[in-house]
Amino acid sequence: EAGVAQSPRYKIIEKRQSVAFWCNPISGHATLYWYQQILGQGPKLLIQFQNNGVVDDSQLPKDRFSAERLKGVDSTLKIQPAKLEDSAVYLCASSRNRFLSTDTQYFGPGTRLTVL
Amino acid sequence: DQQVKQNSPSLSVQEGRISILNCDYTNSMFDYFLWYKKYPAEGPTFLISISSIKDKNEDGRFTVFLNKSAKHLSLHIVPSQPGDSAVYFCAATSPNTGNQFYFGTGTSLTVIP
Repeated sequence: EAGVAQSPRYKIIEKRQSVAFWCNPISGHATLYWYQQILGQGPKLLIQFQNNGVVDDSQLPKDRFSAERLKGVDSTLKIQPAKLEDSAVYLCASSRNRFLSTDTQYFGPGTRLTVL
Repeated sequence: DQQVKQNSPSLSVQEGRISILNCDYTNSMFDYFLWYKKYPAEGPTFLISISSIKDKNEDGRFTVFLNKSAKHLSLHIVPSQPGDSAVYFCAATSPNTGNQFYFGTGTSLTVIP
């Protein structure tokens, strides 16, 4: 079974520029998550999709971050414009179904973003 | 508000000995707990989980213990191997939190050959 794919693996941009990340979840997984992980901290949930609908985006800075999951499969996360404090690893994860009591999330390799 | 805490940022253990990683949580509604392992430049990899109806779950060299009254879980690795050197994150979730995962800050384990 192929894992969660993410691209790019690394991205360096200047502040105020835009950037987009792509995620392809494990086949058949209904739930998709985007996390932000700042160095020395645990992953922090940004947004959660169930199929192509947003379930929870309460921690997404909506003035600059946006995400979509068209057709309930692939997803993109965009930052526009980027700030210095957005430097982090952006992790995508997927799970079979968030309504399962023992649902397990599987993570991609992440995209390391550096904002200069 | 950090609902899941890993108070030891790092741990060093000799190869062959037991590694014990600890995790505390504050939300008594959490009923499913997981441990993830992360190597540099890779995403977290699922390691082992435990439901609140159990107090122990074992998978090979890895055992997770849950003490609900103390709101504490621990991961035991025995015997420890150099390949176990990684950052370990605990996570907790519950249907009452929308099945959102709350992660600790991680413990960096170094197994010394």
